[in-house]
Amino acid sequence: EAGVAQSPRYKIIEKRQSVAFWCNPISGHATLYWYQQILGQGPKLLIQFQNNGVVDDSQLPKDRFSAERLKGVDSTLKIQPAKLEDSAVYLCASSLVEGTEAGELFFGEGSRLTVL
Amino acid sequence: AQSVTQLDSHVSVSEGTPVLLRCNYSSSYSPSLFWYVQHPNKGLQLLLKYTSAATLVKGINGFEAEFKKSETSFHLTKPSAHMSDAAEYFCVVSGGDMRFGAGTRLTVKP
Repeated sequence: EAGVAQSPRYKIIEKRQSVAFWCNPISGHATLYWYQQILGQGPKLLIQFQNNGVVDDSQLPKDRFSAERLKGVDSTLKIQPAKLEDSAVYLCASSLVEGTEAGELFFGEGSRLTVL
Repeated sequence: AQSVTQLDSHVSVSEGTPVLLRCNYSSSYSPSLFWYVQHPNKGLQLLLKYTSAATLVKGINGFEAEFKKSETSFHLTKPSAHMSDAAEYFCVVSGGDMRFGAGTRLTVKP
């Protein structure tokens, strides 16, 4: 079974530039998550999708971050304009379990962003 | 609201000795709890999960954790550490969304 795919693995940009990350979850997984992991910290949930609808985006900085999951499959996370504090690893995860039941999350390897 | 606190940011053990990684949780209702492991440059992987069945949960690679409601704890243990266990470990509480602790870095000395 193919895992969660993310790209690019690494990205370096200057502040105020824009960047986009892509995630393809495991086939059949209805729930998709984007997490931000700053060095030395645990992952922080940015947004949760169920199919193509947003379940929770309360911690997404909406003035600069946006995410979409068209057709309920793959997803894109965009940052525009980037700030220095956005330097982090952006993790995508998917889960077979729908709704608010707790289920195992399957993580991709992450996209490491460095903002200079 | 729910949260987890990992009591140690770094734990160092010798190979062959026991491992104890501590986690306390806060939840207004009966939570689901997880331990994830993150090896360098690898994705997070589920070690084990507690979802209100048996309080002693066994996971992969010889790890286990015990849910203690009276102590609001979910500590991760392993009887004998192996060099390959060196990684970052995260305790996670779920009541809809998944809240991660800050992580504990485990170092295993030869």
